[in-house]
Amino acid sequence: SAVISQKPSRDICQRGTSLTIQCQVDSQVTMMFWYRQQPGQSLTLIATANQGSEATYESGFVIDKFPISRPNLTFSTLTVSNMSPEDSSIYLCSVAGGRFYGYTFGSGTRLTVV
Amino acid sequence: SQQGEEDPQALSIQEGENATMNCSYKTSINNLQWYRQNSGRGLVHLILIRSNEREKHSGRLRVTLDTSKKSSSLLITASRAADTASYFCATAQGGSEKLVFGKGTKLTVNP
Repeated sequence: SAVISQKPSRDICQRGTSLTIQCQVDSQVTMMFWYRQQPGQSLTLIATANQGSEATYESGFVIDKFPISRPNLTFSTLTVSNMSPEDSSIYLCSVAGGRFYGYTFGSGTRLTVV
Repeated sequence: SQQGEEDPQALSIQEGENATMNCSYKTSINNLQWYRQNSGRGLVHLILIRSNEREKHSGRLRVTLDTSKKSSSLLITASRAADTASYFCATAQGGSEKLVFGKGTKLTVNP
């Protein structure tokens, strides 16, 4: 299965600023997924990042707030823009392992906005 | 939106006991997966059961799937303190590769 390196592991940011989270995969993958996990909650899909095209966002998430880059088949970034305390969450990237295999997740970025 | 609903939301047991967690979902699925998350870190894949399978084992884990009831259960036998974590079910629907997660069960195994 793929190995994902996610950075940073945690950060404390001032409101109104932006944070870019990076995920590097050790193999080429078509789609990468970005999730948000609010405190004490489950994971919610933010968007699907495809190489060579714009990311596909889920309902309730917009590109201006969560711009995503996917410059090649092994790398993606998620930016959390103009942050507010409500953005304090764990953000995770993920890749699929194939139809009958599990998904691999990055170790997560714990974001606190003050 | 959440696809699966886990039950119970929290479970506290003693080491050596068995832990059973249940998951229900709403739409047709290709497969159902279970994941573990330790202390808000990344998720670890535990087991995947296909829609045409009814039961699957992996070590101390046993998963069942009832597509007629749209439900699954995860049994951890002979639990250990290291099994303390949150457990999530997740489903992939139709032709999509998007995983939709349930609300999760927080398991505490007391030494």
